[in-house]
Amino acid sequence: EAQVTQNPRYLITVTGKKLTVTCSQNMNHEYMSWYRQDPGLGLRQIYYSMNVEVTDKGDVPEGYKVSRKEKRNFPLILESPSPNQTSLYFCASSLGRSRPGETQYFGPGTRLLVL
Amino acid sequence: AQSVTQLDSQVPVFEEAPVELRCNYSSSVSVYLFWYVQYPNQGLQLLLKYLSGSTLVKGINGFEAEFNKSQTSFHLRKPSVHISDTAEYFCAVSRFDNFNKFYFGSGTKLNVKP
Repeated sequence: EAQVTQNPRYLITVTGKKLTVTCSQNMNHEYMSWYRQDPGLGLRQIYYSMNVEVTDKGDVPEGYKVSRKEKRNFPLILESPSPNQTSLYFCASSLGRSRPGETQYFGPGTRLLVL
Repeated sequence: AQSVTQLDSQVPVFEEAPVELRCNYSSSVSVYLFWYVQYPNQGLQLLLKYLSGSTLVKGINGFEAEFNKSQTSFHLRKPSVHISDTAEYFCAVSRFDNFNKFYFGSGTKLNVKP
């Protein structure tokens, strides 16, 4: 089944403790992206990747890191999480191929609480 | 800077009634436009998109949207809603000059009542 998977689905952590949220897709998509969803703000793009080793900042990249060493994986790293990073995080992927408007397929989300 | 405005945070409607969810955007360049739906406790899925051509686009589940360039709007409509349409709906844009970057509205919760 074609899908985007995220792990973990739920995470409670403490301020300053490094964490990684994994994202994997099995559709051979070139484009992958991370979003955070907060009440009243909708989704905001954190980082995106057009292909392996090619990443760029979205609207709210501060406090986050990403890497794209393989096509299928796009982990989100919080080196020193803070309470304002408590949010619902979504990973998404699309075919890419430098074509606009490709449909993004979203993962199920990761709910993060930083104490 | 881009902005996407969904003025209605919540829209209550009775089953089988028509509904319109409003989306306005501001951009210094032309944009591509999208509507996504999020069912409770799920990720988002694409309803429809406007890239070019006819300004009236049809999507899944009987939804349609009309692009109005002069009013910078992309309102979503359905002539007769079902209980199963209860969800949150997000409008999104990406720019012609960087279509890899997306900007979402704050969402509209559609609550369909029996």
